[in-house]
Amino acid sequence: EAQVTQNPRYLITVTGKKLTVTCSQNMNHEYMSWYRQDPGLGLRQIYYSMNVEVTDKGDVPEGYKVSRKEKRNFPLILESPSPNQTSLYFCASSSTSLAGTYNEQFFGPGTRLTVL
Amino acid sequence: DAKTTQPTSMDCAEGRAANLPCNHSTISGNEYVYWYRQIHSQGPQYIIHGLKNNETNEMASLIITEDRKSSTLILPHATLRDTAVYYCIVSWISGGYQKVTFGIGTKLQVIP
Repeated sequence: EAQVTQNPRYLITVTGKKLTVTCSQNMNHEYMSWYRQDPGLGLRQIYYSMNVEVTDKGDVPEGYKVSRKEKRNFPLILESPSPNQTSLYFCASSSTSLAGTYNEQFFGPGTRLTVL
Repeated sequence: DAKTTQPTSMDCAEGRAANLPCNHSTISGNEYVYWYRQIHSQGPQYIIHGLKNNETNEMASLIITEDRKSSTLILPHATLRDTAVYYCIVSWISGGYQKVTFGIGTKLQVIP
C-alpha cells in the first residue's frame, strides 16, 4: 500500500531535549516536505526536499533541521525544542513537480508534539 | 503568489450538493487551483485540481470561472463522512519547483 508513515504519532517532551520525528514514504517520490499545523494558522511549511541531499527552507524553518540522505526518508530534527514548537506535524511527499504540471501531495498521519 | 479566500464555515444537508466557493482574484496564468480536505486531525487528502477548465473525478467537481478569479468545489451528494476542513490553494512555481500555501480552509459540516 502506498503510504507516508511518521513516527512517533504522539510525543511529550521537555524543553531542550533533542528529538527526531521520522518520515518515510514507499512511493519513490522525489519531493518531500514537513508542515506544522496550529489552530487558526493553517498548515505552514517548515522545510522541503526536492531530492536526495537537496533541501530548502519553507515558511517557518527556525528551530528545525532536516536531512535527506535516502530518497524514502526525511527526518525532522528539533535540536533544542521549545514550548512554541508544540504543534501537529505532517510529512508529505509527491513525485517531482515539473514547471507547469502538478503532482498531488500524499500526507502522513501526523505527529502531535507537546513540549513542556 | 496568489492567495485564496474561503468562508470559514458552511453547513450542508446530507444527500444535497455541497458547493464550496473560493476566491483567488490574483491568480496568474500558470497557477493551478487545488483542493484538499482534512478530516479531524488526519493528514490532508487531495481531492481535485484544475487550471482553467472544469474538472470532475470520482470525488468532486471543480468549476473555475472564465476569468479564473474564483472557483467552486462541488460534492454532488454530501455524506456525513464529508464533514471536514476543505482547503482551496493555488500553486506557483519557485526556483523551478511547485510551491503551495495552505490557508485556514472552510469547515464543512454535513447535517443529517
